[in-house]
Amino acid sequence: NAGVMQNPRHLVRRRGQEARLRCSPMKGHSHVYWYRQLPEEGLKFMVYLQKENIIDESGMPKERFSAEFPKEGPSILRIQQVVRGDSAAYFCASSPPPHKGNEQFFGPGTRLTVL
Amino acid sequence: AQSVTQPDIHITVSEGASLELRCNYSYGATPYLFWYVQSPGQGLQLLLKYFSGDTLVQGIKGFEAEFKRSQSSFNLRKPSVHWSDAAEYFCAVATGVSGGYNKLIFGAGTRLAVHP
Repeated sequence: NAGVMQNPRHLVRRRGQEARLRCSPMKGHSHVYWYRQLPEEGLKFMVYLQKENIIDESGMPKERFSAEFPKEGPSILRIQQVVRGDSAAYFCASSPPPHKGNEQFFGPGTRLTVL
Repeated sequence: AQSVTQPDIHITVSEGASLELRCNYSYGATPYLFWYVQSPGQGLQLLLKYFSGDTLVQGIKGFEAEFKRSQSSFNLRKPSVHWSDAAEYFCAVATGVSGGYNKLIFGAGTRLAVHP
């Protein structure tokens, strides 16, 4: 059973470009979380999605950031017009429906570098 | 507001020595608590979790943690550290549970170095 997959593992963008980060949850998981880890800091919650629904986006910056989890395909975290401060590691986690357990399984992360 | 504090940013121990990593939380209701480990360039792996019941929780790799409500603490322990335990350790508390999901709030992490 494959774990949570994220790609790319490393992404380099110039200021003003767009970054698209993908996350494929574990098989059978329909709940996805995105977290951001700035250098030398812990992970900060960004958004929680179920299939085709954004449930909690309280940690998302108000501008330039968006997330989706379509009926088919991976979850996408999109950052428009990237700035240097967006450089970070972005982690995706998936979990089964809450009534089936509470553990979040984390992917290896995408390390975004903005030049 | 919910928060997690890990007072020790860096800890160095000798291989074979005992280890305790501190974690204090602030949360109004009964907390769901977790310890994760992150190796360099890797994602997070769950070591153990506390939801309810016995306050001493056993995890993988020989780790255990004790929930102390009176101290709002959930310290991680290991009786004998191995060189492969060198990594960063994160304590986390789950929020949003009443809404049917777990939004994790993480501490800043403790970086563990192990001397041979």
